[in-house]
Amino acid sequence: DAGVTQSPTHLIKTRGQQVTLRCSPKSGHDTVSWYQQALGQGPQFIFQYYEEEERQRGNFPDRFSGHQFPNYSSELNVNALLLGDSALYLCASSPGQGGTQYFGPGTRLLVL
Amino acid sequence: EDQVTQSPEALRLQEGESSSLNCSYTVSGLRGLFWYRQDPGKGPEFLFTLYSAGEEKEKERLKATLTKKESFLHITAPKPEDSATYLCAVRDYGQNFVFGPGTRLSVLP
Repeated sequence: DAGVTQSPTHLIKTRGQQVTLRCSPKSGHDTVSWYQQALGQGPQFIFQYYEEEERQRGNFPDRFSGHQFPNYSSELNVNALLLGDSALYLCASSPGQGGTQYFGPGTRLLVL
Repeated sequence: EDQVTQSPEALRLQEGESSSLNCSYTVSGLRGLFWYRQDPGKGPEFLFTLYSAGEEKEKERLKATLTKKESFLHITAPKPEDSATYLCAVRDYGQNFVFGPGTRLSVLP
């Protein structure tokens, strides 16, 4: 049973560019959440997608946007990248909005 | 606003030396307290979910307990492979999911 997968594993961008990160949920899961984790800190909630709609959002600017596809996979888009956007971006999937979240390996983003 | 704190920030143990990690929380209606283990550069790995005060769960050398204000992760006779960051998170009635900063555990052989 494949777990949560994310791509790419690493990414280097420059300030002002745009980036798209991808996530495929665990089999049987229909809800995807995205987190940003700075070095040495706990994950910070960005938003959650269920039934192809953004259901909840954390305290992140609208430079951060997302999408969920009919097969439950999801994308995270970040526009106008800032140096402070450098972090590990984690995707978590769950069976429904209230289910236990299982995390992917993350995408390490470095903004220069 | 939901808040989660963890202590200590870092803990160094000798192999076999048992100890406990603390997770203190304030939440608007607890819908679950979660423990995860995270190895450097990897995603968090799910360990336990606790739902109500008095509940306990065990897995190998780990045991998680829950009260109305805090949770403990007890590590019995740890081994070097238990070295990792242990994260605590809470979910509230609004389905908001908030993580603590984590405890970095090092187990020395």
